[in-house]
Amino acid sequence: QVQLVESGGGVVQPGGSLRLSCAASGFTFSSYGMHWVRQAPGKGLEWVAFIRYDGSNKYYADSVKGRFTISRDNSKNTLYLQMNSLRAEDTAVYYCAKGGAGGDYLDYWGQGTLVTVSS
Amino acid sequence: EIVMTQSPATLSVSPGERATLSCRASQSVSSNLAWYQQKPGQAPRLLIYGASTRATGIPARFSGSGSGTEFTLTISSLQSEDFAVYYCQQYNNWPPNMYTFGQGTKLEIK
Repeated sequence: QVQLVESGGGVVQPGGSLRLSCAASGFTFSSYGMHWVRQAPGKGLEWVAFIRYDGSNKYYADSVKGRFTISRDNSKNTLYLQMNSLRAEDTAVYYCAKGGAGGDYLDYWGQGTLVTVSS
Repeated sequence: EIVMTQSPATLSVSPGERATLSCRASQSVSSNLAWYQQKPGQAPRLLIYGASTRATGIPARFSGSGSGTEFTLTISSLQSEDFAVYYCQQYNNWPPNMYTFGQGTKLEIK
């Protein structure tokens, strides 16, 4: 069965950096695009970033462009999100999600990892 | 940016009754529309993709319809486990500079 397990969340000061990881299993990781989605406390879902199956193309929401970098290591079945210049408004639960076979919907999600940006 | 608007914000329905949730796109997204269910403290779960195709393991009481800018999620006979928040999401943009979600509809017990 598909499993996605995020890690790396925590408390960081404004302007700081954090790297999230998402360990994937139960499917051929190297064949699927992957997403990061976040959810601020008590708020709705916000798509953050997408990376193609082979890492050749990466796309970002305007709110994180230039600060966040999505990457993947297909040899380790792991997805990453490097977050720099963090702001209070980046405080959220960050989910990794697998892209669907027939389009860029998100067919499996991890349990999420909480990032808190606070001084 | 394509804006997704869900209505109503909160829907109160009795168990066993039908629930109808709406999602409108600010411009056409064709059939590139998905629905997700989220329960408190849990990750979202995919229900519907391609506007009307049920995801693996999703009960037949969930159905999706629509295309272009108007979409509907219908739950034919509400079970206790269906009370949750529902989000629509468009994935029509290419390249995907923004896969926007609606703000959500909270389905609560009447």
